[in-house]
Amino acid sequence: DTAVSQTPKYLVTQMGNDKSIKCEQNLGHDTMYWYKQDSKKFLKIMFSYNNKELIINETVPNRFSPKSPDKAHLNLHINSLELGDSAVYFCASSQLGANLNTEAFFGQGTRLTVV
Amino acid sequence: AQTVTQSQPEMSVQEAETVTLSCTYDTSESNYYLFWYKQPPSRQMILVIRQEAYKQQNATENRFSVNFQKAAKSFSLKISDSQLGDTAMYFCAFMSYNNNDMRFGAGTRLTVKP
Repeated sequence: DTAVSQTPKYLVTQMGNDKSIKCEQNLGHDTMYWYKQDSKKFLKIMFSYNNKELIINETVPNRFSPKSPDKAHLNLHINSLELGDSAVYFCASSQLGANLNTEAFFGQGTRLTVV
Repeated sequence: AQTVTQSQPEMSVQEAETVTLSCTYDTSESNYYLFWYKQPPSRQMILVIRQEAYKQQNATENRFSVNFQKAAKSFSLKISDSQLGDTAMYFCAFMSYNNNDMRFGAGTRLTVKP
């Protein structure tokens, strides 16, 4: 049973389109994240939510809009896709608060290709 | 926000030998977590080792150990008896106790040669 699952795994779309990536975690975690991994493998945080509340929004263009309908889901909607949006997008989750075994669990990533 | 620096973009090591990957970070917080994650070509993110900042003892996990120097804000990873399966990108990461803000270094590409 997958802990953090994101769909789709691959997404190829044309410039100007709008697309969504879905993420669900079944770990009961309070915190969820979206990261963007570029072609140089750099992992940049985009957003994080604690208990459905937006905590981090890292200078991401307004075309990117996260939505957290409940604690277990964090979806990413992207409007007017551009070539530079091509990357691998990772969803992750972790348990909020001091916890001896805390770690971030990652989804398998979504490779977005904008043509 | 916290920053994490990995100054070695690429490293290589012979199979069965030992290699150390470097990581430094910058924070004003006193309590936090540090991690090393491995990303093989499958792109899955795999936790290698975890360190709580309040613990003075360095974490170890089988062939993997860390050298945590809190005052110097340094967190290096030592891989002993390197195996071909250790070939991957390795990311150092910092997580805040306060809000779980998690930041990654730029990564080190490690190649284990037979």
